[in-house]
Amino acid sequence: NAGVMQNPRHLVRRRGQEARLRCSPMKGHSHVYWYRQLPEEGLKFMVYLQKENIIDESGMPKERFSAEFPKEGPSILRIQQVVRGDSAAYFCASSPERSSGYTFGSGTRLTVV
Amino acid sequence: SQKIEQNSEALNIQEGKTATLTCNYTNYSPAYLQWYRQDPGRGPVFLLLIRENEKEKRKERLKVTFDTTLKQSLFHITASQPADSATYLCALDTGRRALTFGSGTRLQVQP
Repeated sequence: NAGVMQNPRHLVRRRGQEARLRCSPMKGHSHVYWYRQLPEEGLKFMVYLQKENIIDESGMPKERFSAEFPKEGPSILRIQQVVRGDSAAYFCASSPERSSGYTFGSGTRLTVV
Repeated sequence: SQKIEQNSEALNIQEGKTATLTCNYTNYSPAYLQWYRQDPGRGPVFLLLIRENEKEKRKERLKVTFDTTLKQSLFHITASQPADSATYLCALDTGRRALTFGSGTRLQVQP
């Protein structure tokens, strides 16, 4: 079992470009979560998804950010027109049940230049 | 307002001693609480889950307590080793349907 796979590990984008972050959950896990972490800060919840459904997006900025978890393929976190403040580590996690421990990926480190 | 508080100052202890980390929360009534370990540049790793009707949970050298009256969880590592040095995060079920994490406490175990 390969665990939660995130790619790319590092992503550099110029201001105004789009960033696409991918997450493949563990096999058998139907719950996917995205968190953002700034240096020396805690994990901030962004969005919780199940297959083809957004369950809770209350942590996601209203503009420029979107997430999906299609029937086939990985979950995608999309950031349009990136700004320097979007630079952070973005972690994806999955779980078999909502009340289970989460398995996290290694994260995608986004740098906006 | 709702808060999860972990000691932001690093905890330094000698190898072999017991490390005790604290997680306090206000204005939540979590059904369960979890502890994670995070190493620099890596994703958090799940350690233990304790439910509101459980007072204590153990796993090898780890022990977690959960006091819903005090709104506090204590995380203990006995016989600590330098390899236990990391940041430890507590996380609550806060009714948002996904975990809310504290900002973590960094533990440094000196050989």
